[in-house]
Amino acid sequence: DVKVTQSSRYLVKRTGEKVFLECVQDMDHENMFWYRQDPGLGLRLIYFSYDVKMKEKGDIPEGYSVSREKKERFSLILESASTNQTSMYLCASSLGRGNIQYFGAGTRLSVL
Amino acid sequence: EDKVVQSPLSLVVHEGDTVTLNCSYEVTNFRSLLWYKQEKKAPTFLFMLTSSGIEKKSGRLSSILDKKELFSILNITATQTGDSAIYLCAVESRGSTLGRLYFGRGTQLTVWP
Repeated sequence: DVKVTQSSRYLVKRTGEKVFLECVQDMDHENMFWYRQDPGLGLRLIYFSYDVKMKEKGDIPEGYSVSREKKERFSLILESASTNQTSMYLCASSLGRGNIQYFGAGTRLSVL
Repeated sequence: EDKVVQSPLSLVVHEGDTVTLNCSYEVTNFRSLLWYKQEKKAPTFLFMLTSSGIEKKSGRLSSILDKKELFSILNITATQTGDSAIYLCAVESRGSTLGRLYFGRGTQLTVWP
């Protein structure tokens, strides 16, 4: 079974802090994705990556950056957390086009 | 502008009822449509549909795609409380970068005992 692991289920941070959300997949998938999920808005794509050190902006990249130094690990970085970044963050991975995306359990981030 | 629209956004039923969830889409060069179920954790994959008129079935859940009318339905028969979840519909376009999916806002299904 595909396993996508997000390092934290819950995080509480202060405004202005730098925040790292980590995601690891164990299936040698090429593509990895970061989404945020807010009530009534569904899943919105922040960034995705198709290879080590390669990344593409999604629909809402402002205020976020990403890092993919190893194929299995994809990190989402909030350089200076703000209250409007309080949300559920979901990581996913897939083999590529035409393939299923598998999701991690999510990190619920609260920025106070 | 939403590419994927789900309806209803919320639905409350009693155990034993049958429900139909709808997903309409507007993407160029359609490749596939996926359904996921999300309880209080990771969305889990249910179905991937690529061809019109071919029903996919898993237990009490089934889904079908109409590529001419650009929609899909997800049916759940004899609902149980364990079916309570958000059901997500997503579409991939052949023209989309690297297999990215466009998600609808989801349907929140609540099944009362």
